[in-house]
Amino acid sequence: EVQLVESGGGLVKPGGSLRLSCVASGLTFKNAWMSWVRQGPGQGLEWVGRFKSKTDGGSTDYAAPVKGRFTMSRDDSKNTLYLQMNSLKTEDTAVYYCSTDQMPDPAWGQGTLVTVSS
Amino acid sequence: QSVLTQPPSASGTPGQRVTISCSGSSSNIGTNYVYWYQQLPGTAPKLLIYMNNQRPSGVPDRFSGSKSGTSASLAISGLRSEDEADYYCAVWDDSLSGRVFGGGTKLTVL
Repeated sequence: EVQLVESGGGLVKPGGSLRLSCVASGLTFKNAWMSWVRQGPGQGLEWVGRFKSKTDGGSTDYAAPVKGRFTMSRDDSKNTLYLQMNSLKTEDTAVYYCSTDQMPDPAWGQGTLVTVSS
Repeated sequence: QSVLTQPPSASGTPGQRVTISCSGSSSNIGTNYVYWYQQLPGTAPKLLIYMNNQRPSGVPDRFSGSKSGTSASLAISGLRSEDEADYYCAVWDDSLSGRVFGGGTKLTVL
């Protein structure tokens, strides 16, 4: 069974930084395209970015609202995906999920809450 | 304002068939695969349909997806109380070079 477990969320002041982690198990992580998706309070889903597998080029793509402020990285030896978030804004407040649509075992983590407030 | 348009709500009675639409454009639905996600209350989303009409293992065949032109639909037949959830469509948008989600449809089983 595929499991994704996020961590690193918390309360941070506007302008601050936070790094989220997502540890994967039960899948061949190095072959998986991984994504971050967030959900603001009472809001819908918003795509944050994706990280292709190294075999497919290893490139990243970001949503416009986070480009230049957020950076994804991955450590395939630790089955871990990261999201470095800088210059945080109040509108970044959300539950952050890591996910993969990789067949045959798509999965989402349980999410980690990031609150940006003074 | 989402790039993909979904009705905010839908409803049906047990046993009925309901459909949820997702309207986009030539830069997203018109050229790329559509995905559907189910989010039960208080839980993380779950992939329901991938590549327009494929079901991951474990998803009941009561759920089906289709696509025509710049629109897509999710159909749920034999509606059950446990289907009460939020449903989201998602697709890659070539103009935005990013993935976009619909605004979500809250399904109520009456």
